Order: sequence, then structure tokens, then C-alpha cells
Amino acid sequence: ETGVTQSPTHLIKTRGQQVTLRCSSQSGHNTVSWYQQALGQGPQFIFQYYREEENGRGNFPPRFSGLQFPNYSSELNVNALELDDSALYLCASSLAGSSYNSPLHFGNGTRLTVT
Amino acid sequence: GNSVTQMEGPVTLSEEAFLTINCTYTATGYPSLFWYVQYPGEGLQLLLKATKADDKGSNKGFEATYRKETTSFHLEKGSVQVSDSAVYFCALSRDTGNQFYFGTGTSLTVIP
Repeated sequence: ETGVTQSPTHLIKTRGQQVTLRCSSQSGHNTVSWYQQALGQGPQFIFQYYREEENGRGNFPPRFSGLQFPNYSSELNVNALELDDSALYLCASSLAGSSYNSPLHFGNGTRLTVT
Repeated sequence: GNSVTQMEGPVTLSEEAFLTINCTYTATGYPSLFWYVQYPGEGLQLLLKATKADDKGSNKGFEATYRKETTSFHLEKGSVQVSDSAVYFCALSRDTGNQFYFGTGTSLTVIP
């Protein structure tokens, strides 16, 4: 069974730039969620994709956007990077469309540093 | 709204000591509750879960009981090992769409 994989593992960007993070979901999982984890904090929900459409969004501005592909992999795009965007970005997959009992399976994350 | 509050860390214990990490939640209805563990440099791994009141989740010697009357889901282990050193997150899932709400995490260090 292939777990959740994310790329790249580390990234350094300059304020104002744009970034794309990638995620391959665990085999058999059809739902992908993205979380932002600031240093010393718990993960905060950004959004979730199911059947290639956004299926729930947290309190993040529109410059955070995403995609899900037919093979269930996903991208997170962040435009106009700000210093506060520096964080660990976690992708999680699950086998759910609307069930809240389905646990999330996380990748190891992408560490984004904005300077 | 939905939220999770867990005890502040860091927590330092000697090997074989008893562990309790407190977690309380606020949610409407009947959330599912989870404990996740994060080892250095890694993502979060599911440790255990409970989906209804009075359920007990257990895994690797850890256990937690879903207490609706006290809105709590405290994590316990009878005898910790050095390998249990990690950050532990309590979480709930309530809404459709499978959105999770996490606590701020409790760092545990176990010394030999």
C-alpha cells in the first residue's frame, strides 16, 4: 500500500512569489485535504477536494487555491506569498466524500519558508 | 463552533512512568475524536480514534475514552517508552466534508 507522498520536502520563496505544492494520495483514497501547520501549532484546515471539486474550505484567503486530478493527486497553489505563509503544509488523504468518521492519512509535509 | 483544547506541554517523563494528556472539545452534535502523533520531521500518524460516546480507542498501549458528559478524550498509557517521545495532537471531526479540528499539540519527552 502506497502512502501519501508530498513534493518538494523543502522550499524557499521570496515574498510576493507564487508556489505550487504537490501531493499523491494513498492508493484507494478519493479525497484530499490540505492543512497548514505553523511552528508549535496544530494543523489548520485549508480546504478539501473530492471528485475534483472543492468540498469545504477553512478560513484562508482566495490566494490559496487547489486542484485535484482524476488520479486523486492534488496541488496546492499559493499566490502573492507573505512572510506568515511560512509553515509546514500537510496533505492528507481519506476514503470519504462526506463521512466525518474517516481518519486522515498524512504525508510528511512540505516545509515552506518565505523570506 | 468546533474546537479542541489540550494540555500545555512540554511533558517530560521517565521511562515506565504513567502518561495522561488531557483533551477537551467543543462541538455540536456527536463528533468523532482522534489522537494523532507526530515524530520529528514527519507528518501526523493516526494513533487511535473513537466515534461515539463511551467508545474506547486503543493502540500500541495508548488508550482514550470518549466522554460526552465531560466533553473529554484524555490520552493515557500505563508505561511509556523512550520511543514514545513525540508531539501528540487531539482532534475532532464534525462537519460533513471530513474537516478536522486539531489542538495545539503536546510535546512528550521520555528519558531513560
